[in-house]
Amino acid sequence: RKEVEQDPGPFNVPEGATVAFNCTYSNSASQSFFWYRQDCRKEPKLLMSVYSSGNEDGRFTAQLNRASQYISLLIRDSKLSDSATYLCVVNMKGGGGADGLTFGKGTHLIIQP
Amino acid sequence: NAGVTQTPKFRILKIGQSMTLQCAQDMNHNYMYWYRQDPGMGLKLIYYSVGAGITDKGEVPNGYNVSRSTTEDFPLRLELAAPSQTSVYFCASSETDLASGNTIYFGEGSWLTVV
Repeated sequence: RKEVEQDPGPFNVPEGATVAFNCTYSNSASQSFFWYRQDCRKEPKLLMSVYSSGNEDGRFTAQLNRASQYISLLIRDSKLSDSATYLCVVNMKGGGGADGLTFGKGTHLIIQP
Repeated sequence: NAGVTQTPKFRILKIGQSMTLQCAQDMNHNYMYWYRQDPGMGLKLIYYSVGAGITDKGEVPNGYNVSRSTTEDFPLRLELAAPSQTSVYFCASSETDLASGNTIYFGEGSWLTVV
């Protein structure tokens, strides 16, 4: 099983719609979870951390399901500017080892006018 | 508001040439990292450093070397460039370890092509 797995997409979504995608991870001992956003030919930037209790930031909601080992990202009222690749990032090493981050390949989202 | 600065942004190398990718951060972060990102793939850790004078191999260290003589700088050296090293390279830093979800900050990337 791949360590961090994401549907690569692309997800083609009309502006204003709600879109959700998941990411599964293989190591049940994983401690920290994040969603990063990466625009074309740009560096990844932190979108939000994912906490056990869930996390909401404006139109974005992230959830963690430890039992099924996945995290999710929900985007409501999608904007054209949300078009990007969303990277699922998991810290698979307990204790926060500096080499513990594992990156998914990303889910490509295209918001259409 | 520089953050993590990488140079050069773009470079074309011939097979067998050597070069150094420079990385500097002005946030006084202890931890620094070098990742590579191949098309359609997740970022892979090449080397990392938890402080000046300390470096460790990541997942894909072969063909690369690093040094960390100061807190601010973390250069990545390619000694004998090979086509397999064609990639986008990202330098990153974080204040401490990633246990409590500390954020990792990336530089803008260096696009390297080996021909």
